[in-house]
Amino acid sequence: EIVLTQSPGTLSLSPGERATLSCRASQSVSSSYLAWYQQKPGQAPRLLIYGASSRATGIPDRFSGSGSGTDFTLTISRLEPEDFAVYYCQQYGSSPQYTFGQGTKLEIK
Amino acid sequence: QVQLVQSGAEVKKPGASVKVSCKASGYTFTSYYMHWVRQAPGQGLEWMGIINPSGGSTSYAQKFQGRVTMTRDTSTSTVYMELSSLRSEDTAVYYCARQFRAFDIWGQGTMVTVSS
Repeated sequence: EIVLTQSPGTLSLSPGERATLSCRASQSVSSSYLAWYQQKPGQAPRLLIYGASSRATGIPDRFSGSGSGTDFTLTISRLEPEDFAVYYCQQYGSSPQYTFGQGTKLEIK
Repeated sequence: QVQLVQSGAEVKKPGASVKVSCKASGYTFTSYYMHWVRQAPGQGLEWMGIINPSGGSTSYAQKFQGRVTMTRDTSTSTVYMELSSLRSEDTAVYYCARQFRAFDIWGQGTMVTVSS
């Protein structure tokens, strides 16, 4: 089973700053099957990025994804107040390979 | 609009079973796989399994093998997740999620509390 490790666990930044979140896999992940989600308290996760770098419908272009192999990155170019949340990466190749990372909490500094 | 609406919160005793429903609308039910994901209080997301609404085939995470059953009813566009032999560690919010370009649509979540 592929294990996804996200870093940092918590990221403290101010609105307007740039956020860089990392997701590292224990073995190579096909870029076609790496996703990022945003989750706010009391809400279901929301798909941000699929295929490592494609934005989901309605996602602002300040969100971007990159990476390949075992190292992937979610970048938020300029933080808005509504971006402070928990972010998860996920690989979704095929059963049983639908694992999630443990999450990165993005908090206001 | 495309949406998944789940059944309401449940409170169960240890050893009991729970069955959560997820009703799809706004799209062709049989065209997209459906997943179940759970989240314990204050914890991360945990994938439980997948069902193909078209043929009903399933695949479960090893952790839940033997305790989880996923079914579907095409006449009502509803998928179900039943978890048996409940223990306190199963207290969590259970989500259904449609697979299209990853998990693009999620249900609102169903809180299942296991307590004696």
